[in-house]
Amino acid sequence: GAGVSQTPSNKVTEKGKYVELRCDPISGHTALYWYRQSLGQGPEFLIYFQGTGAADDSGLPNDRFFAVRPEGSVSTLKIQRTERGDSAVYLCASSSGPTREQFFGPGTRLTVL
Amino acid sequence: QQQVKQSPQSLIVQKGGISIINCAYENTAFDYFPWYQQFPGKGPALLIAIRPDVSEKKEGRFTISFNKSAKQFSLHIMDSQPGDSATYFCAARELGNQFYFGTGTSLTVIP
Repeated sequence: GAGVSQTPSNKVTEKGKYVELRCDPISGHTALYWYRQSLGQGPEFLIYFQGTGAADDSGLPNDRFFAVRPEGSVSTLKIQRTERGDSAVYLCASSSGPTREQFFGPGTRLTVL
Repeated sequence: QQQVKQSPQSLIVQKGGISIINCAYENTAFDYFPWYQQFPGKGPALLIAIRPDVSEKKEGRFTISFNKSAKQFSLHIMDSQPGDSATYFCAARELGNQFYFGTGTSLTVIP
């Protein structure tokens, strides 16, 4: 079956712009996670959804970052007033539950010029 | 503060050799310890995982050794192959909470 998909695969934007990154989880997966991976580093947790609600958003670095999952499936990570330090690969993962295996998407590479 | 410390940063092994990657943690509430394999341009993929009630888990050429008292766990890749060349991440999770990843080990297996 289809895995986790993320769009776009690459996004180049200018400092100060607004961006949206999309994640399509595996069908039926109730849990969805967003991570940020900087070059040479491991994934860093941002936010976790169980269904439509954010169960844990403690990893969001500041209020420029926001994520939604209105129907409990697709999720969008939104970044306002982008900064050069936001440049990274943004990974999405889904699982059938919080104790189950996470399946990662290929990521969106965000570059802020 | 790095919740999970991973070493080495990079590793070069001859084909057929054993690759060993180590991780250490402090939080005794962690209850699940997975290892992920990541190829360039791809997301991490689960390789093997262990819970703290067992000391070793083996799947094919991959083995996790877990030392609860030392709060350390390691990944052993037996008979390493060039196709194993990738970045490996250890991780740890406290039930119901987020995953913490190590900083990664870049493995190169020389033919």
